[in-house]
Amino acid sequence: EIVLTQSPGTLSLSPGERATLSCRASQSVSTNYLGWYQQKPGQAPRLLIFGASSRATGIPDRFSGSGSGTDFTLTISRLEPEDFAIYYCQQYAGSPPMYTFGQGTKLEIK
Amino acid sequence: EVQLVQSGAEVKKPGESLKISCKGSGYSFASYWIGWVRQMPGKGLEWMGIIYPGDSDTRYSPSFQGQVTISADKSISTAYLQWSSLKASDTAMYYCARRINSDRYPSFDYWGQGTLVTVSS
Repeated sequence: EIVLTQSPGTLSLSPGERATLSCRASQSVSTNYLGWYQQKPGQAPRLLIFGASSRATGIPDRFSGSGSGTDFTLTISRLEPEDFAIYYCQQYAGSPPMYTFGQGTKLEIK
Repeated sequence: EVQLVQSGAEVKKPGESLKISCKGSGYSFASYWIGWVRQMPGKGLEWMGIIYPGDSDTRYSPSFQGQVTISADKSISTAYLQWSSLKASDTAMYYCARRINSDRYPSFDYWGQGTLVTVSS
């Protein structure tokens, strides 16, 4: 089973700053199979990025994803007040199918 | 507009059974995989299983195999998650989520609002 480890656990930044969130896999992950989600308190998760770097519908271009193999990154270029939330990476492995989430990174206002 | 609407919060006693639902609209329900995700209080997301309503092909996470049953009725565009005997440790928020309609990008693009299940004596 592939394990996803996100770092840091908590990231404290100010609006306008750049955020860099990391997701490291215990084994190589297909680029197409890596997604990122945002979850705000009391809300369902929302898909931000699929295929490691493709923005989902309606996602602002300040969000970008990159990486390959075992190391993936979510970057938020200029933080807006509404971006402070918990972010999860997620991967898929087939045969048998498994969808695995990282433990999350909490992005908090400094 | 794509929507997944889940059934309301439940309060149950240990040992009781439960079936929660997730109704899809605004798209061809039978043609998209629907997954279920657990979030225990204050914790992260855990994938439980997934079903293809078109033919009811169902896959489970090993962690949840035998603990829950996932089903779907495509005639009413509804997926279900059920327990035969609840435990206190089943207390959590449960989300259904639609998987992108492409095997190339297995991410979940639409989510239900969640169903809070509380199991307490």
